[in-house]
Amino acid sequence: EVVLTQSPATLSLSPGETATLSCRASQSVRTYLAWFQQKPGQAPRLLIYDASNRATGIPARFSGSGSGTDFTLTISSLEPEDFAVYYCQQRANWPPYTFGQGTKLEIK
Amino acid sequence: QVQLQESGPGLVKPSETLSLTCTVSGGSISGYFWSWIRQPPGKGLEWIGYIFYTGSTTYNPSLKSRVTMSVDTSRNHFSLRLSSVTAADTAVYYCARFNGDEQFDIWGQGTMVTVSS
Repeated sequence: EVVLTQSPATLSLSPGETATLSCRASQSVRTYLAWFQQKPGQAPRLLIYDASNRATGIPARFSGSGSGTDFTLTISSLEPEDFAVYYCQQRANWPPYTFGQGTKLEIK
Repeated sequence: QVQLQESGPGLVKPSETLSLTCTVSGGSISGYFWSWIRQPPGKGLEWIGYIFYTGSTTYNPSLKSRVTMSVDTSRNHFSLRLSSVTAADTAVYYCARFNGDEQFDIWGQGTMVTVSS
């Protein structure tokens, strides 16, 4: 099973700043990595798929990069609605599809 | 647009079977894989498994012995059964579409299931 480790666990930033979230895989997942955003009481929302492709309707301030075992989600010019929990997820080696434990992006 | 809605009991007794249904509206269930994913309170996400509209299934090995998924194309819904539940199965259960790009792109709102006597 591929283990995804996200860091940091919590990131405290102010609106307008840039957030950099990390996801590291226990073995190569090539570029088969997605990022989700989850707000309290809501289902996760797909942001990025295959490491760097924005899902439909996702603003350009969200970008993803990486391959192999190291991936980054960057959110530039943070908006108030961006403060949430972010999960990475891999589809390279399954079953099972696995998720990281999440990074909470909170307002400083 | 396609929407998903989970339904089922919110409380299940230990050792009994959890049963949930996900109804697909605004589009056909045909042509896609349909998944169940759960999230224990305050914790991360766990993929339970998925079912193709033809009925073919793939389950998480950690849950495989207790999971059964089924699909009813005439009613445009699919279902989850999880047997011999314990408190560790308490979670929000989400249904989600697994699309042609192999992504979980559409999710239901989730339903909380508590295992307790």
